[in-house]
Amino acid sequence: AQSVTQLGSHVSVSEGALVLLRCNYSSSVPPYLFWYVQYPNQGLQLLLKYTTGATLVKGINGFEAEFKKSETSFHLTKPSAHMSDAAEYFCAVSLYNNNDMRFGAGTRLTVKP
Amino acid sequence: DGGITQSPKYLFRKEGQNVTLSCEQNLNHDAMYWYRQDPGQGLRLIYYSQIVNDFQKGDIAEGYSVSREKKESFPLTVTSAQKNPTAFYLCASRAGTGYTFGSGTRLTVV
Repeated sequence: AQSVTQLGSHVSVSEGALVLLRCNYSSSVPPYLFWYVQYPNQGLQLLLKYTTGATLVKGINGFEAEFKKSETSFHLTKPSAHMSDAAEYFCAVSLYNNNDMRFGAGTRLTVKP
Repeated sequence: DGGITQSPKYLFRKEGQNVTLSCEQNLNHDAMYWYRQDPGQGLRLIYYSQIVNDFQKGDIAEGYSVSREKKESFPLTVTSAQKNPTAFYLCASRAGTGYTFGSGTRLTVV
């Protein structure tokens, strides 16, 4: 079965600094990969997804992620952090039938002024 | 606007009582899901349903039950058999590769 590992349960950056949230996956077949953001006591909002095609995926709020098959990674980046980016971020993987989406444990991003 | 509505947002129950969490969607999605979220553990799948009158167990179905009598509705019952029911519960629906999540119900058992 597919699985996801998010490296770092907490990441802290200064406002304006680069954001890098790490995600590695395991899957026996080409996966679909997702990043979601969650604000306190709310549901998950899709930031971006990779299904097929271009490996560099751009999402909302200036985030992007690159699918690297050789490294089994799908790291999330943003060039310049904003205070409003403080939230919890989840990486997720599913297979083509999409009924078995697996989530990572999450990374809490703190942005310091 | 289309979306998923979970109610209530906060729920308190006494230990040993069954409780039902509501999930309604007006997105016309066939597939619906229930996840449980605990700190540091991400989301774990409880049950899912791909079509009306059919549902499948996820990874942590013990102590939970669901029904899918209508396309729009997928209620989750947390039974007294669930040993540690205090958690944040998220409902989702899916069309294609896109999951849409509700805003969650925080259940506290006292």
